[in-house]
Amino acid sequence: GAVVSQHPSRVICKSGTSVKIECRSLDFQATTMFWYRQFPKKSLMLMATSNEGSKATYEQGVEKDKFLINHASLTLSTLTVTSAHPEDSSFYICSARPTRLAAFPDTQYFGPGTRLTVL
Amino acid sequence: QQQVKQSPQSLIVQKGGIPIINCAYENTAFDYFPWYQQFPGKGPALLIAIRPDVSEKKEGRFTISFNKSAKQFSLHIMDSQPGDSATYFCAALDSSETSGSRLTFGEGTQLTVNP
Repeated sequence: GAVVSQHPSRVICKSGTSVKIECRSLDFQATTMFWYRQFPKKSLMLMATSNEGSKATYEQGVEKDKFLINHASLTLSTLTVTSAHPEDSSFYICSARPTRLAAFPDTQYFGPGTRLTVL
Repeated sequence: QQQVKQSPQSLIVQKGGIPIINCAYENTAFDYFPWYQQFPGKGPALLIAIRPDVSEKKEGRFTISFNKSAKQFSLHIMDSQPGDSATYFCAALDSSETSGSRLTFGEGTQLTVNP
């Protein structure tokens, strides 16, 4: 239970292109989804919080025009890295918090992550 | 005040040993304390969690001890196995409506269990 998927799991792109990452909660509805970035051997760094149907809330220092987040439904959020550059290469992880009606404990459930490499 | 401090940064034990990972927090509004296990190249997976109204919770070989007055909690892994080798993150959540449901993570502990 409480499964979150991410697609793609791995992507390599050229500098200047845009990349979209999908995050889906498979067996529960999520009012809130989160996007994290993780550097090697480091903790998770929260980038933004998104609530279904409203604009995302970005953490300080995260460029909202570069990392576009759309949370169109209770089971899907997308992160688009626009005009990607090598410094955007990282491991991006999403998580989802079940709605209060869901049968799962009230915490965040994480996707498997997406490894982005920008050449 | 939002920090969660985790120690040690890395830990090596022999198979069958009992690694202990400690976390401390400051924010008394935190009311849910999950532990996540992360393998290389994978997302964190919820391992076990506790609320501050209990002092201990056990699930299989994993036990959380919670000391509310000291604002500390720890993870114990009984009879550790090489397959437990992973990075472990403690976290804390303020589940009130105004908090934004944000998890505050510790820095992580890289555990190695030698055969």
